[in-house]
Amino acid sequence: GEDVEQSLFLSVREGDSSVINCTYTDSSSTYLYWYKQEPGAGLQLLTYIFSNMDMKQDQRLTVLLNKKDKHLSLRIADTQTGDSAIYFCAERVEDSNYQLIWGAGTKLIIKP
Amino acid sequence: ETGVTQSPTHLIKTRGQQVTLRCSSQSGHNTVSWYQQALGQGPQFIFQYYREEENGRGNFPPRFSGLQFPNYSSELNVNALELDDSALYLCASSLGRGAGGVDEQYFGPGTRLTVT
Repeated sequence: GEDVEQSLFLSVREGDSSVINCTYTDSSSTYLYWYKQEPGAGLQLLTYIFSNMDMKQDQRLTVLLNKKDKHLSLRIADTQTGDSAIYFCAERVEDSNYQLIWGAGTKLIIKP
Repeated sequence: ETGVTQSPTHLIKTRGQQVTLRCSSQSGHNTVSWYQQALGQGPQFIFQYYREEENGRGNFPPRFSGLQFPNYSSELNVNALELDDSALYLCASSLGRGAGGVDEQYFGPGTRLTVT
């Protein structure tokens, strides 16, 4: 079956890099997404990667995809206090009518 | 450009009652997806509507039903409410099949439903 797993918490110092990891089980994933959820706000798409790519960079964000190990990571460079949020990994499975399968989210805590 | 809006923001119901949640999609979007997000968990896909027809359904019982209107706004109806239905209900709009690719979903702020 489909399953997406993430660790629940990550604590980093302001200015350091944050690396949030995600594993998924369905090898027919087409797109993999990273969403950000701040308190009282809706989920916001941060970035995505197509399954035939292994890396994507967008300003401070770097996404790495290891299809063999079904492992996805999100690196945030120079982490700021505004990056405090819950980060969700989600996959879209082929022929799924655009359904997204979500992880439980990783809460990023920034230490001063 | 108006974003995705949901109403009401909060709702308290008792077990056995029925509830209707509403969602207005972003301008130009013809697809609406509904998700249930329990506390401390990721969203769970309930169903999706594309041009007024159901276009996929997650593992939710039939007492969860929906509608999409000609203006692409949508309703989620839940009958015979149970305590476990307490959650944040999220609506997301997108171009769906018309996206031809990434199909970015734009989320509303959600409706917090509490069943007592």
